[in-house]
Amino acid sequence: NAGVMQNPRHLVRRRGQEARLRCSPMKGHSHVYWYRQLPEEGLKFMVYLQKENIIDESGMPKERFSAEFPKEGPSILRIQQVVRGDSAAYFCASSPTGAQTEAFFGQGTRLTVV
Amino acid sequence: KNQVEQSPQSLIILEGKNCTLQCNYTVSPFSNLRWYKQDTGRGPVSLTIMTFSENTKSNGRYTATLDADTKQSSLHITASQLSDSASYICVVRKADSSYKLIFGSGTRLLVRP
Repeated sequence: NAGVMQNPRHLVRRRGQEARLRCSPMKGHSHVYWYRQLPEEGLKFMVYLQKENIIDESGMPKERFSAEFPKEGPSILRIQQVVRGDSAAYFCASSPTGAQTEAFFGQGTRLTVV
Repeated sequence: KNQVEQSPQSLIILEGKNCTLQCNYTVSPFSNLRWYKQDTGRGPVSLTIMTFSENTKSNGRYTATLDADTKQSSLHITASQLSDSASYICVVRKADSSYKLIFGSGTRLLVRP
C-alpha cells in the first residue's frame, strides 16, 4: 500500500497561468485534507473533502482556488491565474473514516510562481 | 485566535540535552491529539496519538502527556540528537462529524552539536 502520493513534487508557473496539484490518497482512504505552508511558517488548513463532497473549505481563498475529490481518481487542487504570493508548499493528507484514525501526509508540491 | 497554540515558537538546544514543547488547545469537542514531526522539505510524520483517557505515552525518546481538564499537552524529548532538528506540530482532531484536523503552527527545534 503506497503512501499518499502528490505530484508533481515541484511546479513552476508564470504569473497568470493555472496550477493543478494532484493528491492520490492511500488505498481505502476517503478523507482528503489540503494544507498550504509558506516558507518558515506552519501548515495552514485550506480544504477538507470526502469523496465527491467538500466538507469544509473555510481556509481556501474564495477566488482563484478550487478543489475536488471525484469518485474515481486523485484529489485536485486548482489555482487559476497564479500570483507570486501563491508560491508555497502544498501538502495533502488522507485518512480513512473514523475519529481515531491517523492522517498520513504526502511529501508536498512546491509551487514557485515566477 | 488559533484553537491550537504551541510554544515556544522556536528552540535551540545542545545535543544530548532534554527539552519540552507545549501545546494548548480550545478545540471542542475533542477527539484526540497527535504530535507530528516535520523534517525540512518533507511531509509531517506522526509521532504519537493521545486520546481523552490517556495521560502519558512514550515512543522511544519522545514522551507525550495530555491533561484533558486543562487542555494542555506536552512533548518531551530526551537525550536530543542532531536528527531531532525539525518542526514539531500539535494536531487536534474534532469529535464531531467533520473529524476536522486543527493544526498548531509548530515549534521549530534546532539541536546543535
